Amino acid sequence: EVQLLESGGGLVQPGGSLRLSCAAFGFTFSTYAMNWVRQAPGKGLEWVSSVTYSGDSTNYADSVKGRFTIFRDNSKNTLYLQMNSLRAEDTAIYYCAKGGPESGNYYFHDFWGQGTLVTVSS
Amino acid sequence: DIQMTQSPSSVSASVGDRVTITCRASQGISRRLAWYQQKLGEAPKLLIYYASSLQSGVPSRFSGSGSGTDFTLTISSLQPEDLATYYCQQADSFPLTFGGGTKVEIK
Repeated sequence: EVQLLESGGGLVQPGGSLRLSCAAFGFTFSTYAMNWVRQAPGKGLEWVSSVTYSGDSTNYADSVKGRFTIFRDNSKNTLYLQMNSLRAEDTAIYYCAKGGPESGNYYFHDFWGQGTLVTVSS
Repeated sequence: DIQMTQSPSSVSASVGDRVTITCRASQGISRRLAWYQQKLGEAPKLLIYYASSLQSGVPSRFSGSGSGTDFTLTISSLQPEDLATYYCQQADSFPLTFGGGTKVEIK
């Protein structure tokens, strides 16, 4: 059974940093692209970032480019999102989502974690 | 960037009704489109990918069609458990983009 377990969210002041983690279970992590998608309170879904299955290529939304870094450790079956220079508008639930449905670099999101809440406020 | 426009933004229908949601891309995306269902307080769930392929475990009353710029999600017979917000997403090019969502309510 595929499981994605996010952690690392919390309350942070504007300008601060957080690192989110997503532990993956139930599939061969190293053969699938991975993604972060966020949802601000009461709003729709916003794609944040994607990384290829090997980790050699990344993409970012303009809203986070230069501030956020996505990376993965295939030996630990874990995806990360390093978030720096956080702003109030980054407040959202952050979801980790598996790329699919095929192995390789495909960008439909076929499984999602439960999400972790990031609140940026003074 | 490819803009995804969903309509309507909300729909209210009775149990057993046929419900249709449309999604329009600002440029052609072939069939690289997905539909997601998000129930209140839950993570989204993939329903349809490549415009018309049904994700494993999804009831057959859900179907998708379209290619290029115009796509449709159809619920053939609305059930109470279909109360949710539905989103389309293009997977043709970065940045990946979602539609604004369609809230489905039960009369």
